[in-house]
Amino acid sequence: SQTIHQWPATLVQPVGSPLSLECTVEGTSNPNLYWYRQAAGRGLQLLFYSVGIGQISSEVPQNLSASRPQDRQFILSSKKLLLSDSGFYLCAWSWAGGNQPQHFGDGTRLSIL
Amino acid sequence: KQEVTQIPAALSVPEGENLVLNCSFTDSAIYNLQWFRQDPGKGLTSLLLIQSSQREQTSGRLNASLDKSSGRSTLYIAASQPGDSATYLCAVKRLWNYGGSQGNLIFGKGTKLSVKP
Repeated sequence: SQTIHQWPATLVQPVGSPLSLECTVEGTSNPNLYWYRQAAGRGLQLLFYSVGIGQISSEVPQNLSASRPQDRQFILSSKKLLLSDSGFYLCAWSWAGGNQPQHFGDGTRLSIL
Repeated sequence: KQEVTQIPAALSVPEGENLVLNCSFTDSAIYNLQWFRQDPGKGLTSLLLIQSSQREQTSGRLNASLDKSSGRSTLYIAASQPGDSATYLCAVKRLWNYGGSQGNLIFGKGTKLSVKP
């Protein structure tokens, strides 16, 4: 069976500090990978998606970036965090194409001070 | 631009009651629709996925319907239990390329359900 792991579960960072959130998927190969953000009072917003190693598409212009150095590893990064980056970050995977459901990790709660 | 709306934002019912959660979307050209459950501070759990050619899907006490032409979906929960308390999210799949099958989900803000013992 497939599992998805995100870490850390919670993170408190000062404004202007760097960020690295990691997501890995086990039990599958060549999945589609996604980063979402859930901010207070707003729905889930897609930030990045990837259909393969090194292939990253951005949905929302911002000071975040994503990378996929390995098939089942997806990393969300920032060089300098802003207060507005606070939120709940969720990683998800799905089989490529078709009517395949997305499966989510447990999320990272990011608080910027 | 596709927008997904869920009404009500919050719902409180006594245990044992049957209930309906509503989801509407502005663009009927969806590939599929997915219902999720989110417990506080946790990720999302996929409940049901309805393909655009389907009218409904059932899993246990859950039944989801889809009316593409009117841009609506409902999630019916039978004989509700306190363990059903959670936020329920509806999402529609937007295709990245016309004629393809890959895409991403656009979410509503959810309905927070509380089932009282």
